[in-house]
Amino acid sequence: GQQVMQIPQYQHVQEGEDFTTYCNSSTTLSNIQWYKQRPGGHPVFLIQLVKSGEVKKQKRLTFQFGEAKKNSSLHITATQTTDVGTYFCAGAAGYSSASKIIFGSGTRLSIRP
Amino acid sequence: DTAVSQTPKYLVTQMGNDKSIKCEQNLGHDTMYWYKQDSKKFLKIMFSYNNKELIINETVPNRFSPKSPDKAHLNLHINSLELGDSAVYFCASSHTTGRSNTGELFFGEGSRLTVL
Repeated sequence: GQQVMQIPQYQHVQEGEDFTTYCNSSTTLSNIQWYKQRPGGHPVFLIQLVKSGEVKKQKRLTFQFGEAKKNSSLHITATQTTDVGTYFCAGAAGYSSASKIIFGSGTRLSIRP
Repeated sequence: DTAVSQTPKYLVTQMGNDKSIKCEQNLGHDTMYWYKQDSKKFLKIMFSYNNKELIINETVPNRFSPKSPDKAHLNLHINSLELGDSAVYFCASSHTTGRSNTGELFFGEGSRLTVL
């Protein structure tokens, strides 16, 4: 079945350093979404990428979708303490009503002030 | 006004008991989900309903029975609770675009279930 793998599992950085998390799917995706979950909170949608090779930016966050639509990355420039949390990618394969959104295992980001 | 609300937020119960979690969304979405997040933070889809119809049913024990009385509500009933059922259960909803249910997910705040 469809699997979505995410690395690294944990990342501990100094405030101001950059951070990147990578996501790989075993199947071609129709789209990929990214979510952020603060400690003790619930996942909150950040962005959705649909097109092959797509790159989107949200302030210090840059999201990429691979050409083959099987991988994606999230890069945060100059991390701040407010970036702390777990970042999940979530891939959807297919376009039917039974398409599932499968979550990666998440990357937990912690920051040294 | 909470978009996706779940009750209860916390549930502590003994093995063997039966419990229910309720979810309601006021976003006008037609698809609702249950996800389970274990202690390692893995988020795994359990069920998905579209307009009250079950469309995704992952490999979940029969002890778990979802019910959707209308498209704004999705409840989860769990029979004969086991230690391994301890987790945070998230309800989510999304809007269907065409025939695809792969739009943005709006999550509830989660229901933390602890089985002793």
